[in-house]
Amino acid sequence: DAGVTQSPTHLIKTRGQQVTLRCSPKSGHDTVSWYQQALGQGPQFIFQYYEEEERQRGNFPDRFSGHQFPNYSSELNVNALLLGDSALYLCASSLLVSGVSTDTQYFGPGTRLTVL
Amino acid sequence: AQSVTQPDIHITVSEGASLELRCNYSYGATPYLFWYVQSPGQGLQLLLKYFSGDTLVQGIKGFEAEFKRSQSSFNLRKPSVHWSDAAEYFCAVSGNTPLVFGKGTRLSVIA
Repeated sequence: DAGVTQSPTHLIKTRGQQVTLRCSPKSGHDTVSWYQQALGQGPQFIFQYYEEEERQRGNFPDRFSGHQFPNYSSELNVNALLLGDSALYLCASSLLVSGVSTDTQYFGPGTRLTVL
Repeated sequence: AQSVTQPDIHITVSEGASLELRCNYSYGATPYLFWYVQSPGQGLQLLLKYFSGDTLVQGIKGFEAEFKRSQSSFNLRKPSVHWSDAAEYFCAVSGNTPLVFGKGTRLSVIA
Protein backbone atom coordinates (compact mmCIF):
# COMPACT_ATOMS: atom_id res chain seq x y z
CA ASP A 1 0.00 0.00 0.00
CA ALA A 2 1.73 3.14 -1.23
CA GLY A 3 1.86 6.04 1.16
CA VAL A 4 1.86 9.70 0.26
CA THR A 5 4.47 10.55 -2.34
CA GLN A 6 5.86 13.94 -3.30
CA SER A 7 8.09 15.23 -6.07
CA PRO A 8 10.63 16.58 -6.45
CA THR A 9 12.61 15.94 -3.27
CA HIS A 10 14.65 19.12 -3.52
CA LEU A 11 14.32 22.25 -5.63
CA ILE A 12 16.39 25.40 -5.98
CA LYS A 13 14.86 28.50 -7.54
CA THR A 14 15.67 32.21 -7.72
CA ARG A 15 13.53 35.10 -6.56
CA GLY A 16 10.67 35.93 -8.90
CA GLN A 17 10.49 32.48 -10.45
CA GLN A 18 7.53 30.13 -10.29
CA VAL A 19 7.51 26.58 -8.91
CA THR A 20 5.19 23.57 -9.06
CA LEU A 21 5.25 20.80 -6.45
CA ARG A 22 3.41 17.51 -6.83
CA CYS A 23 1.71 15.09 -4.47
CA SER A 24 0.03 11.70 -4.80
CA PRO A 25 -2.21 10.76 -1.87
CA LYS A 26 -2.27 7.51 0.03
CA SER A 27 -4.33 4.84 -1.70
CA GLY A 28 -8.04 5.26 -0.86
CA HIS A 29 -7.73 8.88 0.24
CA ASP A 30 -9.60 11.67 -1.54
CA THR A 31 -8.44 14.83 0.25
CA VAL A 32 -5.09 16.55 -0.03
CA SER A 33 -3.74 19.28 2.26
CA TRP A 34 -0.57 21.31 1.83
CA TYR A 35 1.60 22.68 4.65
CA GLN A 36 4.64 24.91 4.73
CA GLN A 37 7.28 24.17 7.36
CA ALA A 38 9.91 26.86 7.82
CA LEU A 39 13.16 25.93 9.52
CA GLY A 40 12.67 25.39 13.25
CA GLN A 41 8.88 25.78 13.05
CA GLY A 42 5.84 23.55 13.00
CA PRO A 43 3.96 23.06 9.74
CA GLN A 44 1.51 25.81 8.74
CA PHE A 45 -1.63 25.00 6.77
CA ILE A 46 -1.76 26.42 3.23
CA PHE A 47 -4.93 24.88 1.75
CA GLN A 48 -6.93 21.71 1.33
CA TYR A 49 -8.43 20.19 -1.81
CA TYR A 50 -11.39 17.87 -2.13
CA GLU A 51 -13.31 16.91 -5.27
CA GLU A 52 -10.96 19.12 -7.29
CA GLU A 53 -11.98 22.24 -5.35
CA GLU A 54 -10.22 24.27 -2.69
CA ARG A 55 -12.11 23.41 0.49
CA GLN A 56 -10.24 25.45 3.08
CA ARG A 57 -7.40 27.94 2.97
CA GLY A 58 -4.92 29.20 5.53
CA ASN A 59 -3.37 32.62 5.81
CA PHE A 60 -1.26 32.53 2.65
CA PRO A 61 -1.23 35.04 -0.21
CA ASP A 62 -2.74 34.41 -3.64
CA ARG A 63 0.75 33.66 -4.96
CA PHE A 64 0.08 30.21 -3.53
CA SER A 65 -2.39 28.26 -5.63
CA GLY A 66 -3.24 24.64 -6.12
CA HIS A 67 -5.04 22.08 -8.13
CA GLN A 68 -6.45 18.62 -7.60
CA PHE A 69 -6.85 16.15 -10.44
CA PRO A 70 -9.56 13.49 -10.94
CA ASN A 71 -7.18 10.81 -9.64
CA TYR A 72 -6.91 12.86 -6.37
CA SER A 73 -3.30 13.86 -6.93
CA SER A 74 -2.49 17.51 -6.38
CA GLU A 75 -0.15 20.32 -7.30
CA LEU A 76 1.00 23.34 -5.34
CA ASN A 77 2.07 26.35 -7.37
CA VAL A 78 3.93 29.32 -6.00
CA ASN A 79 4.42 32.42 -8.18
CA ALA A 80 6.84 35.31 -7.79
CA LEU A 81 9.00 33.44 -5.31
CA LEU A 82 10.42 35.31 -2.32
CA LEU A 83 13.38 34.38 -0.16
CA GLY A 84 10.89 33.74 2.66
CA ASP A 85 9.24 30.98 0.65
CA SER A 86 12.24 28.75 1.35
CA ALA A 87 10.83 25.89 3.39
CA LEU A 88 9.86 22.23 3.49
CA TYR A 89 6.51 21.79 1.75
CA LEU A 90 4.50 18.90 3.09
CA CYS A 91 1.55 17.21 1.51
CA ALA A 92 -0.92 15.25 3.63
CA SER A 93 -3.81 13.06 2.56
CA SER A 94 -6.97 12.04 4.37
CA LEU A 95 -10.46 10.74 3.76
CA LEU A 96 -13.61 12.84 3.82
CA VAL A 97 -16.68 10.90 4.90
CA SER A 98 -20.09 12.55 4.40
CA GLY A 99 -18.41 15.93 4.25
CA VAL A 100 -16.56 15.44 7.52
CA SER A 101 -12.83 14.93 7.56
CA THR A 102 -11.67 11.89 9.46
CA ASP A 103 -8.91 14.22 10.57
CA THR A 104 -6.22 11.60 10.43
CA GLN A 105 -3.77 13.05 7.97
CA TYR A 106 -0.87 11.08 6.59
CA PHE A 107 2.14 13.05 5.45
CA GLY A 108 4.56 12.65 2.59
CA PRO A 109 8.32 13.14 2.89
CA GLY A 110 8.12 16.73 1.69
CA THR A 111 9.79 18.88 -0.94
CA ARG A 112 12.64 21.10 0.23
CA LEU A 113 12.43 24.42 -1.66
CA THR A 114 15.36 26.82 -1.55
CA VAL A 115 14.91 30.31 -3.00
CA LEU A 116 18.11 32.21 -3.77
CA ALA B 1 -8.66 30.39 17.41
CA GLN B 2 -6.98 27.08 17.92
CA SER B 3 -3.43 27.03 19.21
CA VAL B 4 -0.89 24.56 20.54
CA THR B 5 1.95 25.27 22.94
CA GLN B 6 4.90 22.96 23.39
CA PRO B 7 6.80 24.59 26.26
CA ASP B 8 10.03 22.65 25.81
CA ILE B 9 12.09 23.51 22.73
CA HIS B 10 14.77 20.89 23.40
CA ILE B 11 14.94 17.95 25.81
CA THR B 12 17.87 15.61 26.41
CA VAL B 13 17.35 12.23 28.07
CA SER B 14 19.55 9.23 28.69
CA GLU B 15 18.85 6.03 26.83
CA GLY B 16 16.56 3.85 28.96
CA ALA B 17 15.17 6.79 30.91
CA SER B 18 11.52 7.77 30.84
CA LEU B 19 10.23 10.62 28.72
CA GLU B 20 7.40 13.12 28.94
CA LEU B 21 6.82 15.79 26.29
CA ARG B 22 4.35 18.50 27.19
CA CYS B 23 1.56 19.85 25.01
CA ASN B 24 -1.13 22.41 25.88
CA TYR B 25 -3.87 23.36 23.48
CA SER B 26 -6.54 25.98 23.09
CA TYR B 27 -9.76 24.97 21.38
CA GLY B 28 -13.39 25.88 21.95
CA ALA B 29 -14.91 22.44 21.66
CA THR B 30 -13.76 18.87 22.11
CA PRO B 31 -10.53 18.70 20.16
CA TYR B 32 -8.98 16.03 18.03
CA LEU B 33 -5.37 15.72 19.24
CA PHE B 34 -2.35 14.23 17.59
CA TRP B 35 1.33 13.59 18.12
CA TYR B 36 3.62 13.36 15.10
CA VAL B 37 7.35 12.61 14.93
CA GLN B 38 9.76 13.97 12.33
CA SER B 39 13.26 12.64 11.75
CA PRO B 40 15.78 15.03 10.15
CA GLY B 41 14.88 15.81 6.55
CA GLN B 42 11.80 13.61 6.68
CA GLY B 43 8.05 14.05 6.66
CA LEU B 44 5.77 13.58 9.66
CA GLN B 45 4.84 10.17 11.02
CA LEU B 46 1.69 9.80 13.12
CA LEU B 47 2.45 8.42 16.58
CA LEU B 48 -1.04 8.49 18.06
CA LYS B 49 -4.32 10.35 18.09
CA TYR B 50 -7.19 11.13 20.44
CA PHE B 51 -10.72 11.64 19.16
CA SER B 52 -12.91 10.56 22.08
CA GLY B 53 -13.33 7.85 24.72
CA ASP B 54 -10.50 6.56 26.86
CA THR B 55 -8.26 9.49 27.74
CA LEU B 56 -5.11 7.33 27.74
CA VAL B 57 -4.14 6.61 24.16
CA GLN B 58 -1.60 4.05 23.01
CA GLY B 59 0.46 4.66 19.92
CA ILE B 60 3.26 3.15 17.91
CA LYS B 61 6.85 2.63 19.06
CA GLY B 62 5.76 2.28 22.72
CA PHE B 63 4.44 5.84 23.07
CA GLU B 64 1.30 6.83 24.93
CA ALA B 65 -0.45 10.12 25.63
CA GLU B 66 -3.03 11.25 28.15
CA PHE B 67 -5.78 13.76 27.41
CA LYS B 68 -6.61 15.96 30.41
CA ARG B 69 -9.48 18.27 29.60
CA SER B 70 -9.22 20.20 32.88
CA GLN B 71 -5.62 21.10 32.09
CA SER B 72 -6.04 21.42 28.29
CA SER B 73 -3.09 19.09 27.97
CA PHE B 74 -2.12 16.09 25.88
CA ASN B 75 1.31 15.02 27.10
CA LEU B 76 3.31 12.31 25.36
CA ARG B 77 5.11 9.66 27.39
CA LYS B 78 7.42 6.71 26.92
CA PRO B 79 8.70 4.56 29.78
CA SER B 80 12.10 3.77 28.28
CA VAL B 81 13.68 5.84 25.52
CA HIS B 82 15.79 4.28 22.76
CA TRP B 83 18.51 6.09 20.82
CA SER B 84 16.35 5.81 17.69
CA ASP B 85 13.70 8.03 19.35
CA ALA B 86 15.89 11.10 18.80
CA ALA B 87 13.79 13.34 16.54
CA GLU B 88 11.45 16.34 16.50
CA TYR B 89 8.03 15.81 18.06
CA PHE B 90 4.97 17.85 17.14
CA CYS B 91 1.65 18.10 18.92
CA ALA B 92 -1.34 19.14 16.80
CA VAL B 93 -5.01 19.94 17.29
CA SER B 94 -8.01 20.02 14.97
CA GLY B 95 -11.76 19.62 14.95
CA ASN B 96 -12.92 19.16 11.37
CA THR B 97 -10.52 21.99 10.63
CA PRO B 98 -6.97 21.96 9.38
CA LEU B 99 -4.30 20.74 11.74
CA VAL B 100 -2.70 23.42 13.91
CA PHE B 101 0.76 22.42 15.09
CA GLY B 102 2.95 23.45 17.97
CA LYS B 103 6.51 24.55 17.28
CA GLY B 104 7.87 21.18 18.22
CA THR B 105 10.18 19.69 20.83
CA ARG B 106 13.55 18.34 19.76
CA LEU B 107 14.51 15.18 21.63
CA SER B 108 18.16 14.22 22.01
CA VAL B 109 19.12 10.84 23.47
CA ILE B 110 22.49 10.30 25.12
CA ALA B 111 24.16 7.05 26.06
